[in-house]
Amino acid sequence: SQQGEEDPQALSIQEGENATMNCSYKTSINNLQWYRQNSGRGLVHLILIRSNEREKHSGRLRVTLDTSKKSSSLLITASRAADTASYFCATDQGGSEKLVFGKGTKLTVNP
Amino acid sequence: EPEVTQTPSHQVTQMGQEVILRCVPISNHLYFYWYRQILGQKVEFLVSFYNNEISEKSEIFDDQFSVERPDGSNFTLKIRSTKLEDSAMYFCASSVERWPFNTEAFFGQGTRLTVV
Repeated sequence: SQQGEEDPQALSIQEGENATMNCSYKTSINNLQWYRQNSGRGLVHLILIRSNEREKHSGRLRVTLDTSKKSSSLLITASRAADTASYFCATDQGGSEKLVFGKGTKLTVNP
Repeated sequence: EPEVTQTPSHQVTQMGQEVILRCVPISNHLYFYWYRQILGQKVEFLVSFYNNEISEKSEIFDDQFSVERPDGSNFTLKIRSTKLEDSAMYFCASSVERWPFNTEAFFGQGTRLTVV
């Protein structure tokens, strides 16, 4: 089964606007993580939310987790051009060490 | 700030050749991983490594692949006989604790492998 599917696939907004990206998954999880990847670069860990948490904040980032709907959202407030990147959610799979990534949302923030 | 370092950043190799991708994890980390991302596709797990042995591997990680921690600082991924479909960005990651259960993993910048 597929885990960590993000939508939308692409999002284009103006600087200062908020950006919301969603992630859905299919199996039970221990935690869900969001990563950012600038074009052609490495993955940068943004935030981890555990299955018993509903919301978490880090700076301009707000992540929610709804385990009943098997979904998560990442909100970036007051976006900046430097936020332009691809954003991935990633989930664990039971007792596996494997982290399963989605295809990501490509965010473009226009100055 | 400590970081995971990968070399080279880009490697071009001929089909059938052996390649070794190198990684220097963060010094106090105990768990090491390789992932890959084929262009336009998802990041995929290859292998996890702890205490000098593979702790988990994916179906992608067949006999053509091997990992090694030859000394106290390096962590390598070897592909014995490269195929065109091995072309991808390869990411090394490391974590202090067993990931993904409790903690974040730090990723390197990746090695782009192009097999021609």
